[in-house]
This record gives sequence, C-alpha cells and structure tokens, in this order.
Amino acid sequence: GENVEQHPSTLSVQEGDSAVIKCTYSDSASNYFPWYKQELGKRPQLIIDIRSNVGEKKDQRIAVTLNKTAKHFSLHITETQPEDSAVYFCAATNQAGTALIFGKGTTLSVSS
Amino acid sequence: GAGVSQTPSNKVTEKGKYVELRCDPISGHTALYWYRQSLGQGPEFLIYFQGTGAADDSGLPNDRFFAVRPEGSVSTLKIQRTERGDSAVYLCASSPGWGSTDTQYFGPGTRLTVL
Repeated sequence: GENVEQHPSTLSVQEGDSAVIKCTYSDSASNYFPWYKQELGKRPQLIIDIRSNVGEKKDQRIAVTLNKTAKHFSLHITETQPEDSAVYFCAATNQAGTALIFGKGTTLSVSS
Repeated sequence: GAGVSQTPSNKVTEKGKYVELRCDPISGHTALYWYRQSLGQGPEFLIYFQGTGAADDSGLPNDRFFAVRPEGSVSTLKIQRTERGDSAVYLCASSPGWGSTDTQYFGPGTRLTVL
C-alpha cells in the first residue's frame, strides 16, 4: 500500500547547526509534499510544502528538496534555534489525491 | 481569521459507549478531513469530505466509525461501541478547494480516552 518512510526518528543538534530530515514515498502519483511541525500537545502546523513541478523551495532558514525520480524529499533547517525543537512530519498525497499519508515523525532537539 | 476548531478538547468514555466529536472548519473551506493520531505516530487518514459528501472513507477502520457533514461546514465523527484501541487524538483539517495540492490546516484535536 501507499507508504511514507521518514528518517531519522530522532535528531539532536547544537544551536546554529543544520538539521536534515529525509522521507521516501511509494506512490509515483503523489504530487504534493508538505512538512508539518508539531509541538507537544499542539496541532500540526505547516512549515513548508512543495509541489511536484518544482525541485526545491526555500523560506528563510527552511528548505525542501524533491527528487521525483528517486521518490524522496528532504527538509533542511539551517542555523537551528532552540525553538525549532519539535516533532516534524513529512507527508505525501495518496494515489487518489484525497488524503495525506504521513511519516512517523522526527523528534528534533536543539540544545543551546 | 479563526482557524479550525474542535470540540471537546478531551473526551473520556467507557468501553462500549458512543461518542461524537465535532469539527468546525475554516469558513469557506470546501474540503474537510479527519485523521487519527496515536502516541508517537503521524496522523492516519480516516475520511475526506468535499462539500457535504464523503468523497473518500477508505480510512475508516470499521463500521463502528461514521462521519457526517450535512451542510458542508461542521462535521461530526461518530464512534459506536468504543473500544480501548480507539484511544487517540482525533484531528480535523480543512482546505479551501478541490485540489489535492491545497494546504490542509489542522485543528487542535480531540483527545479520546476509552477506559
């Protein structure tokens, strides 16, 4: 079935370092790839997304890259800050385009 | 403007009882989604509404789960004969249009605990 794999499950970095989270998806029909940040007990918040017609998108310290041939996409956070600490989820649209399939999440810890 | 809201924020019930969870989407959003999130996992799709109709209910785990959106705005997720395994956070999301690439905005969720 449709699947999104996310790695690593946990990531610890020092403040100012970069963080990279990688995801792979199974369905070649997927055409939308959002990233959500979820703090403990809070709702998932969209931080960046990319559609299948572009290979890279950047928004200040956050960037996402997409390789449709390899069916993988990555989140890059530069100059990390303690407030970046949260669980990050990648997602991809299902084959029907009716839902998002989420990865299992990456717990990012940024220490100062 | 107001975001997606969900009520109640917490619901504790006993095994075998019936529960209803409510979602108020962002005004004007035609698409509405229900997801379920277990501890340490990503949200898992349950059902998708486009307007008043359920366009995809393939994620509902069994016939104890049912959802409605009678006027194309507020939606209610209904769970009959609750089981302990139903305990999770139930998330609602809405998006503005018909496209699969529209951003989904999530509500704060309802934490359901079945004792």
